[in-house]
Amino acid sequence: AQSVTQPDIHITVSEGASLELRCNYSYGATPYLFWYVQSPGQGLQLLLKYFSGDTLVQGIKGFEAEFKRSQSSFNLRKPSVHWSDAAEYFCAVGARSNDYKLSFGAGTTVTVRA
Amino acid sequence: NAGVTQTPKFRVLKTGQSMTLLCAQDMNHEYMYWYRQDPGMGLRLIHYSVGEGTTAKGEVPDGYNVSRLKKQNFLLGLESAAPSQTSVYFCATERGSGYNEQFFGPGTRLTVL
Repeated sequence: AQSVTQPDIHITVSEGASLELRCNYSYGATPYLFWYVQSPGQGLQLLLKYFSGDTLVQGIKGFEAEFKRSQSSFNLRKPSVHWSDAAEYFCAVGARSNDYKLSFGAGTTVTVRA
Repeated sequence: NAGVTQTPKFRVLKTGQSMTLLCAQDMNHEYMYWYRQDPGMGLRLIHYSVGEGTTAKGEVPDGYNVSRLKKQNFLLGLESAAPSQTSVYFCATERGSGYNEQFFGPGTRLTVL
């Protein structure tokens, strides 16, 4: 069965600084990987996804993520954080063998300080 | 287009009461999902549907039932609510046929006393 670990429960970053959120997955074959963002009181919105091909994927809002098979990781990055990036971020993994259902990590809350 | 809507937004129940959460979509998506979100646990799949008239169990189905009588609606029922079902419930839809983006509703915050 697939699973996802987000090691950081909470990260605080200064506005303008870079941000990296960690995601590690467990799955035997090539996974389908996603990052979602949840603003306070809102549903989840897809930031980016990786299915195959180029291991560096670009998403919305200036985010990117890199798939590293050797490390079973799919870390999310943003070079310069804006106050509006304060939110909760979820990594998710899916597999064709599991009928494409997604397994979500516990989430990382990002606080942006001025 | 409203996208994915959920009714109600908030609800407080007493233990043993029943209720139905409604998810409606106007995107003509085949797949629909019900998740619950609890602090420190991310989203967990309760039930899902891959088309009108079909439903299947997810990771945490106990205590819940679902129905998909119409393609655009996916109902989640709690027959006898328990405090352990206090959570935020999210509905999501997906076009289907392999991996596509899941579109989420705004959520329903349910408290069971």
